[in-house]
Amino acid sequence: AQKITQTQPGMFVQEKEAVTLDCTYDTSDPSYGLFWYKQPSSGEMIFLIYQGSYDQQNATEGRYSLNFQKARKSANLVISASQLGDSAMYFCAMREGDDMRFGAGTRLTVKP
Amino acid sequence: DTGVSQDPRHKITKRGQNVTFRCDPISEHNRLYWYRQTLGQGPEFLTYFQNEAQLEKSRLLSDRFSAERPKGSFSTLEIQRTEQGDSAMYLCASRYTYNEQFFGPGTRLTVL
Repeated sequence: AQKITQTQPGMFVQEKEAVTLDCTYDTSDPSYGLFWYKQPSSGEMIFLIYQGSYDQQNATEGRYSLNFQKARKSANLVISASQLGDSAMYFCAMREGDDMRFGAGTRLTVKP
Repeated sequence: DTGVSQDPRHKITKRGQNVTFRCDPISEHNRLYWYRQTLGQGPEFLTYFQNEAQLEKSRLLSDRFSAERPKGSFSTLEIQRTEQGDSAMYLCASRYTYNEQFFGPGTRLTVL
């Protein structure tokens, strides 16, 4: 069964605007971690942000924030003030124990 | 540089040949992961090590694949009798704590 679902294959955003990338997950484990990675065309996976299942507040890292809605099992990534360099693939991932699974990704294109 | 490194970055081989990839994790990281990523997909888990012990292997890892992590430091992933379906990006990642996982730049394998 698919554990991580990213329903947006592609997204477009105007430079300097905010964008939300969707991610839903499925788990029965009360303890898990949620991650977002950016993968530019060079191929390297760049860690952006982490949210633990017991964290009370939404995680933020600079222009990245994670909109964590535990009851809905969603962990959407919000990028504020988009920049041209934000154009890349974005992957949501979930860790249960030592196991980490990834979604299929969303390709974000920032338009000038 | 203190990040995860992988060698080689690119490998082109003929079908039936053996190939070996190397991953050097961040020095204090005791967990090391191998993933395979095909075009348009998220990374798929292959195997992982805690120190020198290989603790889990995916069903994706056929008997042509073998991984080692002698002395709990660097790791190698060998593919014997390569097939065209093995063409992919092979990613290595390492971590020490639960809320992190850092990836290397990957090795892109092309099997002709």
